[in-house]
Amino acid sequence: EVVLTQSPGTLSSSPGETVTLSCRASQSISSASVAWYQHRPGQAPRLLIYRASDRPSGIPDRFSGSGSGTDFTLTISGLEPEDFAVYYCQQYRSSPYTFGQGTKLDIK
Amino acid sequence: QVQLVQSGAEVKRPGASVEVSCQTSGYTFTTYFIHWVRKAPGQGLEWMGVINPSGGGTNYAQNFQGRLTLTRDMSTRTLYMKLSSLRSDDTAIYFCARGGTNSSPGLNWFDPWGQGTLVTVSS
Repeated sequence: EVVLTQSPGTLSSSPGETVTLSCRASQSISSASVAWYQHRPGQAPRLLIYRASDRPSGIPDRFSGSGSGTDFTLTISGLEPEDFAVYYCQQYRSSPYTFGQGTKLDIK
Repeated sequence: QVQLVQSGAEVKRPGASVEVSCQTSGYTFTTYFIHWVRKAPGQGLEWMGVINPSGGGTNYAQNFQGRLTLTRDMSTRTLYMKLSSLRSDDTAIYFCARGGTNSSPGLNWFDPWGQGTLVTVSS
């Protein structure tokens, strides 16, 4: 099983700032098999990034992803009020399709 | 547009079973795998299992082997998640989500997701 470890667990920031969230895998995985999701309370998770760096249509370009091997990052540039939520990375290379434990982004 | 609409909240006693439905629309039902994920209070997202609507084949996470059953009804384009022998720590929001395709099973990101179904297990 691929274990994903996200850091930090909680990140405090302010609107307009840029933040970087980290996701480390317990073994090397293809960048084609990494996704990031945003989860707001009371809502369904939303796909932000797939294949480590691709954005679905409708996702603002302030969200960007990068990485390879075991280290992946999600960068949010120019935080908007609606961006304060929990973010999860996921690997879908092999079953079980594991998620990281999440990074909570809250308002400073 | 693609939509996954889940059934409503459930309250169950320990030891009982629960079945959550996920009705799909807006795409070819047999093309895409459907995954089930849950979010327990204070915990992260946990992948439970996947079903291939085309043939009904399933793959379950080890944590749920023997308690989880995923099925589908092709006539109504609906998927079902049944969890048995419920415990208090099964209290969670359960989500269905569309995944990869039969021809590209590795492209298994989850999009879109159902709205979620709260299952509360309490005596």
